[in-house]
Amino acid sequence: SQTIHQWPATLVQPVGSPLSLECTVEGTSNPNLYWYRQAAGRGLQLLFYSVGIGQISSEVPQNLSASRPQDRQFILSSKKLLLSDSGFYLCAWSTGTSGSTGELFFGEGSRLTVL
Amino acid sequence: AQKVTQAQTEISVVEKEDVTLDCVYETRDTTYYLFWYKQPPSGELVFLIRRNSFDEQNEISGRYSWNFQKSTSSFNFTITASQVVDSAVYFCALSEGNTPLVFGKGTRLSVIA
Repeated sequence: SQTIHQWPATLVQPVGSPLSLECTVEGTSNPNLYWYRQAAGRGLQLLFYSVGIGQISSEVPQNLSASRPQDRQFILSSKKLLLSDSGFYLCAWSTGTSGSTGELFFGEGSRLTVL
Repeated sequence: AQKVTQAQTEISVVEKEDVTLDCVYETRDTTYYLFWYKQPPSGELVFLIRRNSFDEQNEISGRYSWNFQKSTSSFNFTITASQVVDSAVYFCALSEGNTPLVFGKGTRLSVIA
């Protein structure tokens, strides 16, 4: 069966520090991978998605970047965090085959607090 | 462009009451998929249901039921005889197939014992 894990679960970082959140998927090949952010009291905002290694689409210009160095690994990074980067970050995957319904399977989430 | 609107930001009900969460969507595609996800306090999103645009049959799963009406572009979710464990944020979402899901802003449901 497929599983998805992301870490760390909780992170407290000072403004201006770097960030790296990791996400890995097991039990499937060529998944589409996604990073969503949920700010306090708000909905889910799509940040990045990837349909293959090295292929990253950015939905919102911001202080963050994403990379996909391996088929089932997705990394969210920042060189210098801002206060506004605080939030709950969710990694997700969907099947990459044609005819996909787009159904997403989510990781446990990473709560980032920037002070 | 795709859009999902959940007009109810927060709802509070007393245990055993029925509650309906509204979802209205916009899309230009004739083929699309609608979803409901539950986000309990732990934060992880839990899949509840998927519906494709060609299947307007309502669905019931235990105390949960979904009413899909293309005429009004709505996909509403009803919880019958609500329980405290139903307290969560519920998200409605739309996909046009191989496109990323677009989520509504969510409805926070509080069920009071």
